[in-house]
Amino acid sequence: DIQLTQSPSTLPASLGERVTISCRASQSISNSLNWYQQKPDGTVKRLIYSTSTLESGVPSRFSGSGSGTDYSLSISSLESEDFAMYYCLQYATYPHTFGAGTKLELK
Amino acid sequence: EVQLVESGGGLVQPGRSLKLSCAASGFTFSNYYMAWVRQAPKKGLEWVATISTSGSRTYYPDSVKGRFTISRDNAKSSLYLQMNSLKSEDTATYYCARDGYNYWGQGVMVTVSS
Repeated sequence: DIQLTQSPSTLPASLGERVTISCRASQSISNSLNWYQQKPDGTVKRLIYSTSTLESGVPSRFSGSGSGTDYSLSISSLESEDFAMYYCLQYATYPHTFGAGTKLELK
Repeated sequence: EVQLVESGGGLVQPGRSLKLSCAASGFTFSNYYMAWVRQAPKKGLEWVATISTSGSRTYYPDSVKGRFTISRDNAKSSLYLQMNSLKSEDTATYYCARDGYNYWGQGVMVTVSS
């Protein structure tokens, strides 16, 4: 099974700050990686698919990059609605696996 | 507008069974793989099952293989998850999701407890 190591687990940040979340796979996943945002009410939203493609309607301050085993999600200038949980997901092979999550919190 | 609405959750005793349903609308259901994902209280997301468009292929992680069965009825645009031999560790919110995990339902809570 492919393990995803997501870091940091908690990320304190301020409004307007740029932040980056990392997701490292235990083996190459050939860009088969998505990023998700989960709000406290449980709503899950896909932000980025196939490593770097921005979901329609998602603000351009979100971006994804990476290759091989190392991937990242960046938010260029934090806004209040961005404080939430973030997860990466690999779908290169079954079982599909999620990272453990990053809680982006207001500093 | 794509909509996925789960139902069938509730409180169930360990060892018993429960069947979840997901009603899909706003897209041609039969054209898409579908999946179930769960989230235990205060924990992360865990993939539970995936089914092909025709239902001929199914995929499960070891944690539920042999106990859970994913199925679909394309005529009714509905997805199902039959959960047998439930354990306390199956307690979670269960989400149905469309292929690519780009659309998710609002989730349904399953509590396994005596």
